[in-house]
Amino acid sequence: IAGITQAPTSQILAAGRRMTLRCTQDMRHNAMYWYRQDLGLGLRLIHYSNTAGTTGKGEVPDGYSVSRANTDDFPLTLASAVPSQTSVYFCASRDRAGELFFGEGSRLTVL
Amino acid sequence: DAKTTQPPSMDCAEGRAANLPCNHSTISGNEYVYWYRQIHSQGPQYIIHGLKNNETNEMASLIITEDRKSSTLILPHATLRDTAVYYCIASDEVYNQGGKLIFGQGTELSVKP
Repeated sequence: IAGITQAPTSQILAAGRRMTLRCTQDMRHNAMYWYRQDLGLGLRLIHYSNTAGTTGKGEVPDGYSVSRANTDDFPLTLASAVPSQTSVYFCASRDRAGELFFGEGSRLTVL
Repeated sequence: DAKTTQPPSMDCAEGRAANLPCNHSTISGNEYVYWYRQIHSQGPQYIIHGLKNNETNEMASLIITEDRKSSTLILPHATLRDTAVYYCIASDEVYNQGGKLIFGQGTELSVKP
């Protein structure tokens, strides 16, 4: 049982570099989400997608882009990484009852 | 989605009931209340959700006030493993109509021996 798979689990990145965090789900859920978590700030929504082909901005979308070409994949791209994007990133999908399923997280450090 | 407010931290003695409050005074009629918890740096885990009736499952009970402006998550016999950050969210269950699922900062519950 895979559920939500995120990659990489951890990455150190130089500032200014482009980075894509991958997220794949095998549950055929329509809705998917990207959150970032920083110490003392809880989970903050970056972008979301209600269904394949649509995306929306969350609370902190600046500096990030997403795409949803199909149901299973929801990659998050940092076009030009900055140190303030150092964080733990969680991807999630949501079933029809409204329950969220989370990946294990991707820890990103931007130097 | 309705905004929720939770106390930043709470303590509970092991074996006692932990009662975690959540205020959602702007909740609309079709929004459910969901509870999640996050242990250490793991991904958040679903606990329970409800609309207006009280709910119980193997993990917890959810008490929603009659006016639906607040709720309480009850862990009946807290253990050390229940130490975590607990999040309350109000959201439309019909996800394909939108809903940003804003988590807030949650309540950090510390269960002490």
